[in-house]
This record gives sequence, structure tokens and C-alpha cells, in this order.
Amino acid sequence: EVQLVESGGGLVQPGGSLRLSCAASGFTFSSYWMHWVRQAPGKGLVWVSRINSDGSSTSYADSVKGRFTISRDNAKNTLYLQMNSLRAEDTAVYYCARRDGAFDIWGQGTMVTVSS
Amino acid sequence: EIVLTQSPGTLSLSPGERATLSCRASQSVSSSYLAWYQQKPGQAPRLLIYGASSRATGIPDRFSGSGSGTDFTLTISRLEPEDFAVYYCQQYGGTPLTFGGGTKVEIK
Repeated sequence: EVQLVESGGGLVQPGGSLRLSCAASGFTFSSYWMHWVRQAPGKGLVWVSRINSDGSSTSYADSVKGRFTISRDNAKNTLYLQMNSLRAEDTAVYYCARRDGAFDIWGQGTMVTVSS
Repeated sequence: EIVLTQSPGTLSLSPGERATLSCRASQSVSSSYLAWYQQKPGQAPRLLIYGASSRATGIPDRFSGSGSGTDFTLTISRLEPEDFAVYYCQQYGGTPLTFGGGTKVEIK
């Protein structure tokens, strides 16, 4: 079964850090570009970041540039999002998604809450 | 950045009725790289339509997409009870990728 499973979310204080993981299974992970998308409570979907298939190219939304880092380990079939200098406005469910044209496979999401 | 504006914000319809959802882009979406997603409460989004008009795997044919350039439409020909949800359009032809604000289809 093709699957993405996120982990690593939780409660963190403003200014803190968190690393999210997204474990892929059921497909050749190293062949696909991968993305992170977030959704604040009761709000819409917002694209966060993407990485190409071999990890050599990345891109970020302006709102997270310089604070978040996307990476991947193709040997472990895992995507990561390192989040530093977290702010209250980063509070959201974070989804990883596979891009095959559009975003055809999504994880179930992991909740990140930034609060003191 | 391409801004996507979805209308209406909420659509109140009865099962069996036709739903027409609009997505307008602030500039032309290249090569019709326009997708539609369905999201139900507590669930991840699900891909319905890609390339403006191609149905994703397993999507019923009551869902159809059309449009090009800056104007796109998602049509649900006859609403089933499981179709009441929020629908998002997305352009994936340029960076940053962007989503519309969503249209909620609710039971009248």
C-alpha cells in the first residue's frame, strides 16, 4: 500500500525547534519530488516547502524561509522538515505529500502547536 | 505569486443537485497545472482532478473539471451524501505553489 506517515509534531514554546518526519512506503520514494503543506486550525491549505527527488534542490514559502529546512534520506525513505525559531503563527497540521503531477498521495498530518 | 480566488465560499445544496465551483487565478496558470482536492473534517486532502480536467485514480465520473488560463470550474453532476466537504483548487505550475481559500459544500 502506498503510504506516507508523518511524526514529530507536538507542543513547543515560541522560539523553539521541532523536526518533523514523513515515512514513505509502497513506492519508489527516491523517484518523487516531495512537499510539505500546512493547515492552521479552521483555515485553508498553505504550501510550505518542496524538495526534488535527489535532494539537490529545495524551495520555501516566504513565511518560513530562513527558519525551516526540508531534507530527505532516500536510503531510509524518509522526508524531514526541520523547523527553527517557531512562532505562534506556525501552529498548524503539517502534511507531507507526494508530487506526481499534482499531489496524489498525502499523509494523515501531524499537529504542531507553538505556545507558551 | 499566483493568487487563486474560489467562489462561492459556501454552497448550500441538496443531495442529487448539481454543484458548480469556481477558481479564478490572478495570472494565467501554465499548461493547465490546476488541481482540485476534496477535504473532509479531520482528514487529509484527496486529489480529485489534475491538469484542470483529468480525474485522479478512483474518482467517480460525477466529478469533472474544466477551464484554462485564469478561469477553472469543478462540477459535481449529482451530489452524493459523501460529497459534502470542502474543496480546494491548487496551481502547481509555478513557485510558490498556491491554493485557493476553499469552497464548502454543505447540505441544504
